[in-house]
Amino acid sequence: DVQLVESGGGLVQPGRSLRLSCVGSGFSFDKYAMHWVRQGPGRGLEWVSSISWGSGSSAYADSVRGRFTISRDNARNSLYLQMSNLTPEDTALYFCAKDVGYFYDNGGYFADWGQGTLVTVSS
Amino acid sequence: QSVLTQPPSASGTPGQRVTISCSGSSSNIGHNFVHWYQHVPGSAPKVLIYGNNQRPSGVPDRFSGSKSGTSASLAISGLRSEDEADYYCASWDDSLTGRVFGGGTKLTVL
Repeated sequence: DVQLVESGGGLVQPGRSLRLSCVGSGFSFDKYAMHWVRQGPGRGLEWVSSISWGSGSSAYADSVRGRFTISRDNARNSLYLQMSNLTPEDTALYFCAKDVGYFYDNGGYFADWGQGTLVTVSS
Repeated sequence: QSVLTQPPSASGTPGQRVTISCSGSSSNIGHNFVHWYQHVPGSAPKVLIYGNNQRPSGVPDRFSGSKSGTSASLAISGLRSEDEADYYCASWDDSLTGRVFGGGTKLTVL
């Protein structure tokens, strides 16, 4: 069975940085694009960022571009999200999700999800 | 403001059929696949429909999806209490070069 386990969330002050991690198991991690999706308090799901199977391409939502960096280490079956210059609007439950193919563009979808890790940005 | 537009709420009684709409534009739904997700708060979201109308294995055939032009809809027949959840449509947006979600529809089973 596919398992995705996020970690790294916590309470952080505005302007600071945080790094989220997601470890995948039960599938060939290096054969799939991966994603981060978040849900703010009282809000809906929001796509944050995606990365292709081999890190050759990545994409970001306008709300995080320039502040967040997605990366992966296929040898460790791990996905990362480096978040900098955090604001209270970044407060959310962050989910890691697996795609169905190598790339994240049209045709793919979020096939499997983790349980999420909570990030709270507050002074 | 979400790129895809969904009604914030929907409701029905057990056994009824309900539909949830999702409206977009030519840069997303009009030219790309639509997918639907079910999210029970506190648990991981789950894909219900992919590729406009395909069901992953394990998803009951009570759930069905359709797309026409720049709109899509999710239908749930034989409504059950365990269907009470938040439902999201999603697609790829060519202009934004990224994935987009609807704002979500909270389904209540009365």
